[in-house]
Amino acid sequence: EVQLVESGGGLVQPGGSLRLSCAASGFTFSSYEMNWVRQAPGKGLEWVSYISSSGSTIYYADSVKGRFTISRDNAKNSLYLQMNSLRAEDTAVYYCARGAWELLCDYWGQGTLVTVSS
Amino acid sequence: DVVMTQSPLSLPVTLGQPASISCRSSQSLVHSDGNTYLNWFQQRPGQSPRRLIYKVSNRDSGVPDRFSGSGSGTDFTLKISRVEAEDVGVYYCMQGTHWPLTFGGGTKVEIK
Repeated sequence: EVQLVESGGGLVQPGGSLRLSCAASGFTFSSYEMNWVRQAPGKGLEWVSYISSSGSTIYYADSVKGRFTISRDNAKNSLYLQMNSLRAEDTAVYYCARGAWELLCDYWGQGTLVTVSS
Repeated sequence: DVVMTQSPLSLPVTLGQPASISCRSSQSLVHSDGNTYLNWFQQRPGQSPRRLIYKVSNRDSGVPDRFSGSGSGTDFTLKISRVEAEDVGVYYCMQGTHWPLTFGGGTKVEIK
């Protein structure tokens, strides 16, 4: 069974940093592209970032470019999102979602809440 | 960026009646490989999103056949043939053809 479990969310002050993790199981993680998608409270879904299976290709939404860094460790079956210079508008539930192209977002984690507030 | 526009924003439906959600993109979603990467997701209250449809019209495993997707180019539709109580939630379209990936704003389906 495919499982994606996010962790690392919490309360952080504006300008602070946080590192999210997504632990994958039930599939060959190293063979799949991965994404981060977020959802602000009461709002819709926003794609944040993508990483290829090898980590060689990465894309970001303009809203996070230069502040967030996506990475992965295929030996640990884990996906990461390093978030720096956090702003109030980054407050959201952050989901990791598997796949791209035909497999785009075929599985999602349960999400982890990030709250940016003083 | 490709803008995805969904309508309506809210869709009250009587149980057992059909429902239809429209999704329009600001540019064609046909990829150079010939595929159209348009997905539909369901998000029930308090849950993570779940993919229902990929590449316009392909149902994911376990998705009831009352859900169907259609369309081409820039105009797409998700249809529910007979709405059931478990279909309540917000539905999103998403394009996977052009970077950055983008979602529609969502359509809230509720029971009248």
